[in-house]
Amino acid sequence: GAGVSQSPRYKVTKRGQDVALRCDPISGHVSLYWYRQALGQGPEFLTYFNYEAQQDKSGLPNDRFSAERPEGSISTLTIQRTEQRDSAMYRCASSTMGAPNVLTFGAGSRLTVL
Amino acid sequence: ILNVEQSPQSLHVQEGDSTNFTCSFPSSNFYALHWYRWETAKSPEALFVMTLNGDEKKKGRISATLNTKEGYSYLYIKGSQPEDSATYLCASGNTGKLIFGQGTTLQVKP
Repeated sequence: GAGVSQSPRYKVTKRGQDVALRCDPISGHVSLYWYRQALGQGPEFLTYFNYEAQQDKSGLPNDRFSAERPEGSISTLTIQRTEQRDSAMYRCASSTMGAPNVLTFGAGSRLTVL
Repeated sequence: ILNVEQSPQSLHVQEGDSTNFTCSFPSSNFYALHWYRWETAKSPEALFVMTLNGDEKKKGRISATLNTKEGYSYLYIKGSQPEDSATYLCASGNTGKLIFGQGTTLQVKP
């Protein structure tokens, strides 16, 4: 696509529910990244993929968070048993694989856990 | 743990003023330094990526310098305009894992 597409743009859920956030990267972008951004803060690294391989998941806060990119294109970030502290903007970005990578960010998915 | 710090946290200037802000990062194991511009309700957009000590980049009225030995980068805006109002984020790190600072929020008054 022309840009990085994320869905849903807004998600309100009750504590304890599972949520899945989707990212569709720019066509041809090999690398895909997930960041979380709290109000007034810079993006916080969660995880990234090259093709379908998850290269680094050191930023995932705990085992309720997982991400996959099974076919090397669309990625899903899943949060199980959501808690209020999970409320944030979740941003996806993609890039070509050449270094250094310049990230193109999506519009984000705003998650609110009640 | 990589800490990226930005200062000041916020800045208010008059239209036409020139301004600059700072990004500091650990100089050991340096790989690349990124600057992004982020307008509220939009996505961060890349301004510059710099890798070499002494690098200088320029885009219109905005320029950036890099000192990898002492671990800092400056972003300069010459003749600020209201449309320059945004949060400017810097980030450093290895391929794939960028660590962002908290940003400097610039407000340019007409």
